[in-house]
Amino acid sequence: AQSVTQPDIHITVSEGASLELRCNYSYGATPYLFWYVQSPGQGLQLLLKYFSGDTLVQGIKGFEAEFKRSQSSFNLRKPSVHWSDAAEYFCAVGGVSDYKLSFGAGTTVTVRA
Amino acid sequence: GAGVSQSPRYKVAKRGQDVALRCDPISGHVSLFWYQQALGQGPEFLTYFQNEAQLDKSGLPSDRFFAERPEGSVSTLKIQRTQQEDSAVYLCASTEGGEAFFGQGTRLTVV
Repeated sequence: AQSVTQPDIHITVSEGASLELRCNYSYGATPYLFWYVQSPGQGLQLLLKYFSGDTLVQGIKGFEAEFKRSQSSFNLRKPSVHWSDAAEYFCAVGGVSDYKLSFGAGTTVTVRA
Repeated sequence: GAGVSQSPRYKVAKRGQDVALRCDPISGHVSLFWYQQALGQGPEFLTYFQNEAQLDKSGLPSDRFFAERPEGSVSTLKIQRTQQEDSAVYLCASTEGGEAFFGQGTRLTVV
């Protein structure tokens, strides 16, 4: 069975500081990995995805994530956060034969001035 | 349309009432998914369509939940005899190239 764990429920970061959100997954084959962001009252917006190839992937809004197979991790990073990055972030896993996504419980990011 | 559209955005239902939630996927997208997102949780898979065929309904929580996509485009999620535990945001997504595009969701509150 596939599953995702996001160990941090809530992170507070100062504007301009770096941000790292953790994601660990369990999947029996080669995973497809995703990070989504959800602002209040909004749907999910895809930040970035990993299917294969280079393990460091770049996304929108200055985000990047690194796939580490040995650690079953896909952590999200941003070098300098902006107030508009305050939102909830979800990591998800799927695969070529598993069309449906399994999501983590999410990490809420608060940005302080 | 430009994206996945869901209606209504908000629905308040009295316990025992039937509700119908609509999803208009991105034009041409073959695959369509419904997810349920409880408060403070990540989305959980409900059901999956490929064109008009419902290929997986393993996530539907009970036989009160029913989904259809009769012409392979618009989909409707119906919940009969709503219960308080059905209160959640219902998200629809259509996919292309392994990427899922989500609608804004319908927030259902059962009172």
